[in-house]
Amino acid sequence: DVKVTQSSRYLVKRTGEKVFLECVQDMDHENMFWYRQDPGLGLRLIYFSYDVKMKEKGDIPEGYSVSREKKERFSLILESASTNQTSMYLCASSFGGVDQPQHFGDGTRLSIL
Amino acid sequence: GEDVEQSLFLSVREGDSSVINCTYTDSSSTYLYWYKQEPGAGLQLLTYIFSNMDMKQDQRLTVLLNKKDKHLSLRIADTQTGDSAIYFCAASTGTASKLTFGTGTRLQVTL
Repeated sequence: DVKVTQSSRYLVKRTGEKVFLECVQDMDHENMFWYRQDPGLGLRLIYFSYDVKMKEKGDIPEGYSVSREKKERFSLILESASTNQTSMYLCASSFGGVDQPQHFGDGTRLSIL
Repeated sequence: GEDVEQSLFLSVREGDSSVINCTYTDSSSTYLYWYKQEPGAGLQLLTYIFSNMDMKQDQRLTVLLNKKDKHLSLRIADTQTGDSAIYFCAASTGTASKLTFGTGTRLQVTL
């Protein structure tokens, strides 16, 4: 069974802090994704990665960066957290190929005070 | 780019059938997915359909695809209280399993 693990379920940080959200998958998936989920807006793609050290901007990359040093781990970084980044963050992974579904972690609910 | 739309809310009685609808704009989307999200959890893959199919059935779930109208629906037979959740429709955008998601439909099941 596919397992995508996000390091924290709930996180509270202060404005201006540098925040790291971690995601690990155990299925040797090539692709990994970071989304944020807000009421009424669905899921919006922040960044994704096709391979180690590869990254591509999604629809809303501003204020975020990512790191993929190992195949199983994909980190989302908020360089200087702001209150409008309070949200639910979801990580997903998949094999390469257009017919491969994404598998999701349980999410991290991040609050920026 | 691709745009995927869903209604926000659906309420049904336990035991009835639920039909959740979705429309998408990009006719080149090859795979269409349905995900379920229970409170406080991530998204769980329910089912998916290839664009050359009209219908797919999996136990209580039936997916119908009208490619001409770019309309997708998910029917849940004999809806149970455990089916209460948010249901997301998603369309592939042709680039290595990148997906565009709808806003989600909250299904409320009443007794």
